[in-house]
Amino acid sequence: DTGVSQDPRHKITKRGQNVTFRCDPISEHNRLYWYRQTLGQGPEFLTYFQNEAQLEKSRLLSDRFSAERPKGSFSTLEIQRTEQGDSAMYLCASSLIQDGYTFGSGTRLTVV
Amino acid sequence: AQSVTQLDSQVPVFEEAPVELRCNYSSSVSVYLFWYVQYPNQGLQLLLKYLSGSTLVKGINGFEAEFNKSQTSFHLRKPSVHISDTAEYFCAVTSNYGQNFVFGPGTRLSVLP
Repeated sequence: DTGVSQDPRHKITKRGQNVTFRCDPISEHNRLYWYRQTLGQGPEFLTYFQNEAQLEKSRLLSDRFSAERPKGSFSTLEIQRTEQGDSAMYLCASSLIQDGYTFGSGTRLTVV
Repeated sequence: AQSVTQLDSQVPVFEEAPVELRCNYSSSVSVYLFWYVQYPNQGLQLLLKYLSGSTLVKGINGFEAEFNKSQTSFHLRKPSVHISDTAEYFCAVTSNYGQNFVFGPGTRLSVLP
C-alpha cells in the first residue's frame, strides 16, 4: 500500500462552481478525516468517518460542504457554490483506532 | 476543549546548530501529543508522539521531544540541524487517541548554511 492518496493535487475553479475531491485511505484504516489548511495556519478539523459513518462535523463545515464515504472505503468532499474564502489546502488522513494519522499530500484549491 | 500554542512563528538557525521549537497546550483532560513536519506542497508527516510512559520521546530524523505536564509543554529539539530540516513544524493534541486533533499554527524552521 502506498499510503493515503488524494486527487486532484491542484484545482482552480471559478467562484460559484462546484468542486469534488477524492481521498483513498490506507486500505486497512477504518477512520478517515478531512482537514482544511490555509496559508500560514495549522490544519483545521472538518469531519471524520469511522467506516462509512460520519461521526463528527466541525462548525467550519457549512451547508455548502458535504462529505461521503460510501462502503467505508474512499471518501469524497464536495464544495458547492465555491467562494474565494474556500481557497485552501484540503488534507485527508486515515488511521486505525489506537494508531496515528497518516496524511495524504492534499488538494490545493484556488477559487478565482 | 483543547488548544495549542506555538510561540515562535519562525525560527532561523545555522546548519549543525541545536534547535528547540516550543509547544504549549491547554486541556482540562489527559492528552496525547504529536509533532508533525510539513515540507512545501506536501502533506504532514509524523515526527513523534507521546501517549504515555517515558516523558522523553524520540522520533525520526534525530528529533526528540519532552512532555512536561506541570508546564503543559511538549517542546521539540534536535542537537544538530541539517539544511534538509527546513520545513514547517506543527504540534498537535488530542484528548481521545484516534479522534480529531487540534493543531498549533506551526513554526517555520529555516536552516541556514
